[in-house]
Amino acid sequence: SQQGEEDPQALSIQEGENATMNCSYKTSINNLQWYRQNSGRGLVHLILIRSNEREKHSGRLRVTLDTSKKSSSLLITASRAADTASYFCATDQGAQKLVFGQGTRLTINP
Amino acid sequence: DTEVTQTPKHLVMGMTNKKSLKCEQHMGHRAMYWYKQKAKKPPELMFVYSYEKLSINESVPSRFSPECPNSSLLNLHLHALQPEDSALYLCASSQWERADTQYFGPGTRLTVL
Repeated sequence: SQQGEEDPQALSIQEGENATMNCSYKTSINNLQWYRQNSGRGLVHLILIRSNEREKHSGRLRVTLDTSKKSSSLLITASRAADTASYFCATDQGAQKLVFGQGTRLTINP
Repeated sequence: DTEVTQTPKHLVMGMTNKKSLKCEQHMGHRAMYWYKQKAKKPPELMFVYSYEKLSINESVPSRFSPECPNSSLLNLHLHALQPEDSALYLCASSQWERADTQYFGPGTRLTVL
């Protein structure tokens, strides 16, 4: 079953603005990952943050993890039209599998 | 080569047909996965293979039958499917069997008539 919850479910912003999406989970984790999915295609891994890390950067992406609140956020800075996609968080809860959140649909308007 | 390939891209089948989906990776990964994804929903795990052995079956109906002929290849055999099985079927692989970074294929869009 999918246990992660993402907020918001949908987000629409202007090109150049920053986009922030959040993920909450319910059990302890080994790591948390973010994936991007363009419409009807496979998922692309963006970033992995381990449970002992609090923040990680990759290009225009910034991920934070707060294990005490069981939550993570993904910030995309200086958004581009090509960032339009669905974004999923996924948690490793120790059962040799990832549990995906419900996803945030991000639309970047030109 | 960091690519996972899936064939076919699209598949339309009747409820009495037998068909197979194919997935291939040449990254030397030891774990491979099948997911099912409905529109606007997250991927749902179906099966996990670790070192060519089935390690996780998420209570998937027997009309879906996975097979891992070798470390690079993963098949999903389909038989007597229902219209509600129509979905995007995604294959993924990871270096080890623990839940680390997964590399996804582009998926097979399956329609069951």
